[in-house]
Amino acid sequence: AQTVTQSQPEMSVQEAETVTLSCTYDTSENNYYLFWYKQPPSRQMILVIRQEAYKQQNATENRFSVNFQKAAKSFSLKISDSQLGDTAMYFCAFMKHGLNGGYQKVTFGIGTKLQVIP
Amino acid sequence: DTEVTQTPKHLVMGMTNKKSLKCEQHMGHRAMYWYKQKAKKPPELMFVYSYEKLSINESVPSRFSPECPNSSLLNLHLHALQPEDSALYLCASSQVFRKTYEQYFGPGTRLTVT
Repeated sequence: AQTVTQSQPEMSVQEAETVTLSCTYDTSENNYYLFWYKQPPSRQMILVIRQEAYKQQNATENRFSVNFQKAAKSFSLKISDSQLGDTAMYFCAFMKHGLNGGYQKVTFGIGTKLQVIP
Repeated sequence: DTEVTQTPKHLVMGMTNKKSLKCEQHMGHRAMYWYKQKAKKPPELMFVYSYEKLSINESVPSRFSPECPNSSLLNLHLHALQPEDSALYLCASSQVFRKTYEQYFGPGTRLTVT
């Protein structure tokens, strides 16, 4: 079974600053995906970024980037130039790689509540 | 278009009522999911439909009855719920062809059982 750990229940950052959210996971799988989902107070869960475990290059999406350390089983999210709209709950998530397609269950961390301060 | 829609946005029901939640996607995804989310908690998987067939039931009480009439539509029928069933119910969908893809979530239905 997989576990995902987010050790920072709450964080805050000044607008325009950079913040890093931590995530560690435990798995015996070699092929898998990692995700960061964002859930603003309006509640819709939005995919922020995804990382495929076989790719060494860290994923980036505009102001969002990850630091993926496969050996250490670490997957942190860096938000640069924080904006007020980044205020949300952030969930780190793990999903096994389905070689022949099909669905896979997603394991979520407990979330980190991020507050961007004006 | 990466949109999953859910109706209604809010629902208040008594413990003897029967109601239904609706989820729709037009992305051609063949896997659809129901999650239950309590405040300040991650989503908990309830059901998975793959190619319109129920593939996973995470030991959900029978007062929750899922239905997948077609590849775009997912319903959750509710009957004789308990106050502890009050939560945000999220629908999600994903592509399943050839490899596994990320899930896209709807905005949710906020359910209150009185």
